[in-house]
Amino acid sequence: EPEVTQTPSHQVTQMGQEVILRCVPISNHLYFYWYRQILGQKVEFLVSFYNNEISEKSEIFDDQFSVERPDGSNFTLKIRSTKLEDSAMYFCASGAGTVTYEQYFGPGTRLTVT
Amino acid sequence: ELKVEQNPLFLSMQEGKNYTIYCNYSTTSDRLYWYRQDPGKSLESLFVLLSNGAVKQEGRLMASLDTKARLSTLHITAAVHDLSATYFCAVYLYNNNDMRFGAGTRLTVKP
Repeated sequence: EPEVTQTPSHQVTQMGQEVILRCVPISNHLYFYWYRQILGQKVEFLVSFYNNEISEKSEIFDDQFSVERPDGSNFTLKIRSTKLEDSAMYFCASGAGTVTYEQYFGPGTRLTVT
Repeated sequence: ELKVEQNPLFLSMQEGKNYTIYCNYSTTSDRLYWYRQDPGKSLESLFVLLSNGAVKQEGRLMASLDTKARLSTLHITAAVHDLSATYFCAVYLYNNNDMRFGAGTRLTVKP
């Protein structure tokens, strides 16, 4: 069964460094999302992406964040200058945008900023 | 701004007992999703509720949606230890084509 994959599974970085989190959505999906979950807390929406552009972003998704679909398969989240409070689990999701509008989540990348 | 409120946030149950988790939301939507998350894991889709009055059942879990009351419930019947996890409801927003999550209900089922 097709699934969303994410790499790396765990990323440790120093404050102020740039990180890129990578996702491979399900191949025929058209809608892509990033969410984050700070340890023990709820899942928070960051950004949605469709037709090669951002369709919606939350207040969390400030100028430090950017997303890109550099080729036909990858979807990336870049954090330009990481802060301690960026430490969280980052989930990528994709959806076909049909009927159920269901989103399928990847396994997540645990980002630790030291 | 959309609010999605779950209660309870923490639930400790004995095996064999029944209980209901509630999910209230503040905006119009007729698509409601329930996810399960085990510690350190991703989100596993449990139910997709697509219309008012929708009811779905899978094993010991049953979910329902009342769009007029803006309420969804997740009912647990005869709980077993394997159901211990955190359960999230999420509301679909048409304008943005994305979902907003509740805070989650951490369920612990004790022998």
